[in-house]
Amino acid sequence: AQSVTQPDIHITVSEGASLELRCNYSYGATPYLFWYVQSPGQGLQLLLKYFSGDTLVQGIKGFEAEFKRSQSSFNLRKPSVHWSDAAEYFCAVGSYGGSQGNLIFGKGTKLSVKP
Amino acid sequence: EAQVTQNPRYLITVTGKKLTVTCSQNMNHEYMSWYRQDPGLGLRQIYYSMNVEVTDKGDVPEGYKVSRKEKRNFPLILESPSPNQTSLYFCASSLSRGHQPQHFGDGTRLSIL
Repeated sequence: AQSVTQPDIHITVSEGASLELRCNYSYGATPYLFWYVQSPGQGLQLLLKYFSGDTLVQGIKGFEAEFKRSQSSFNLRKPSVHWSDAAEYFCAVGSYGGSQGNLIFGKGTKLSVKP
Repeated sequence: EAQVTQNPRYLITVTGKKLTVTCSQNMNHEYMSWYRQDPGLGLRQIYYSMNVEVTDKGDVPEGYKVSRKEKRNFPLILESPSPNQTSLYFCASSLSRGHQPQHFGDGTRLSIL
């Protein structure tokens, strides 16, 4: 079955510290991978996406993610967290074309940032 | 500006009173979908539409209806809302079914008493 797992429900980091949010997926077709961020009371904003090519992708707000096919992972990283990064983060997997096309979301990881 | 617009943003209502949440996109997208977001469950797809007059069930369609009479609009209808439909709802659109990423609206928070 297709699924996305975000093992960490809630993570707290200090401002200025590095961050890694984990995402593992199970998907039959060639996956296209996304990270979305949701600030309180807001909709989902796309941080970055991986379709093909370089497995290290850069996104907005200083985030990056690395696709590791052998580990079925797409972890999100940021070298230095800012207080404004406190939000909920969702990993999602989808496909391009064919009979599939719906996004499958993980359950989210809530990030808190300590001053 | 490219956007997906949902209305209302917030609604408190009572069990059994029919309601409609509207969704409109200005990007001429073919594919539109509705999700609900619940704590600890992430986003789950309710219904989707691949084009005008073409709709299909997602993962959690019970208690919901949709229609797609025009390309830009994809309303979500709750004929007889119940408290278990209290949730945060998102509409999304993309160029076509397999085209990513999807663009999301700002969400509609529904409370069914």
